[in-house]
Amino acid sequence: AQKVTQAQTEISVVEKEDVTLDCVYETRDTTYYLFWYKQPPSGELVFLIRRNSFDEQNEISGRYSWNFQKSTSSFNFTITASQVVDSAVYFCALSFSQGGSEKLVFGKGTKLTVNP
Amino acid sequence: DAGITQSPRHKVTETGTPVTLRCHQTENHRYMYWYRQDPGHGLRLIHYSYGVKDTDKGEVSDGYSVSRSKTEDFLLTLESATSSQTSVYFCAISESIVGRSEQYFGPGTRLTVT
Repeated sequence: AQKVTQAQTEISVVEKEDVTLDCVYETRDTTYYLFWYKQPPSGELVFLIRRNSFDEQNEISGRYSWNFQKSTSSFNFTITASQVVDSAVYFCALSFSQGGSEKLVFGKGTKLTVNP
Repeated sequence: DAGITQSPRHKVTETGTPVTLRCHQTENHRYMYWYRQDPGHGLRLIHYSYGVKDTDKGEVSDGYSVSRSKTEDFLLTLESATSSQTSVYFCAISESIVGRSEQYFGPGTRLTVT
């Protein structure tokens, strides 16, 4: 079964600390995609990154970086030098094939609070 | 920002009444989705559409129906609302099948069933 586990329900850090959000997935597909979304307190969902299963290269975008490891079925997200504006719920998601179509399954999210 | 609007943004209704939520996009994307978000559950797919008049069920489709008569509009109907359908509903769109392109989300509709 396809599944995404975000074991950290809530994380609280002080501004400027580095923080890593964990994402572990399960899938039988050989081709799949992984995503991260951010949901700030205002409620909208913001797309952060998409990664396909054949590309294990880590990615960095400013203070954000992602570490994809197929060997451990993980796609972790690190925020360097966190800021108060990073406070949000972060969702990891996995695409999978079912009945000839592709769908997205989300983890339950990690709530990150960055304190000044 | 992707051009996705949802209406209404907030609604309070009584148990047993029908409710229709509308999602409208200006991106001409083929794929549209309805999710619900509940505490402790993340987002769960209700229904999705892969073209005009082409729809399919997601993991939590019981009690919901959808219609798509135009590319830009995707309607979600709760045929007889129940308190368990109190939730925040998000519409999403994607240019290609999920995975090969990202999904962009609307602002959400907060529905309360009393």
